[in-house]
Amino acid sequence: AQTVTQSQPEMSVQEAETVTLSCTYDTSESNYYLFWYKQPPSRQMILVIRQEAYKQQNATENRFSVNFQKAAKSFSLKISDSQLGDTAMYFCAFVNKNAGGTSYGKLTFGQGTILTVHP
Amino acid sequence: DADVTQTPRNRITKTGKRIMLECSQTKGHDRMYWYRQDPGLGLRLIYYSFDVKDINKGEISDGYSVSRQAQAKFSLSLESAIPNQTALYFCATSDFSGTEKETQYFGPGTRLLVL
Repeated sequence: AQTVTQSQPEMSVQEAETVTLSCTYDTSESNYYLFWYKQPPSRQMILVIRQEAYKQQNATENRFSVNFQKAAKSFSLKISDSQLGDTAMYFCAFVNKNAGGTSYGKLTFGQGTILTVHP
Repeated sequence: DADVTQTPRNRITKTGKRIMLECSQTKGHDRMYWYRQDPGLGLRLIYYSFDVKDINKGEISDGYSVSRQAQAKFSLSLESAIPNQTALYFCATSDFSGTEKETQYFGPGTRLLVL
């Protein structure tokens, strides 16, 4: 079964500090993509960062970076210099890359982590 | 203008009514998806389409149908709405190739309330 687990339903951080959101996943495929999406109160789903499983180097996007541990099936998101605008629900997700599998092309989401940034 | 648009943004309907949610995209992507979001459950896939002639059921397709009218348009219908279909519905698109392949981009969502 394809599953994603986000073990932290809620987290909070002070402005300008660093916070890490956890994510573990399960898939039988070896080739896949991993994502973090952000959903602010506006409810829009916004792509934060993307990682290809065959790449060992961790992806970074400005203040956002990931710690990808393929063997452990772990994909955590680190937010540095947190800003008030980072307050949102964060979803971890993955999609299998290999053609022909029943899960091919379909995103599997975790249940989300609500992050609150305090001034 | 937004790359992925959804209409309506909000809708209230009654049990038993037929309702259609529409999605259009200008990203030129072949693949389109419909998801449903319920509190505490994340997003779950209802239907997906890899091209105009390809429609596939997702994990929660019962009670829903879709139509891919063109590469850019993908509609979701609730044939006979029921209260437990009250949810936030998202359309998404992705590309098979290119530097952003398999990355899904979402519309703004449609909030549906079934009374």
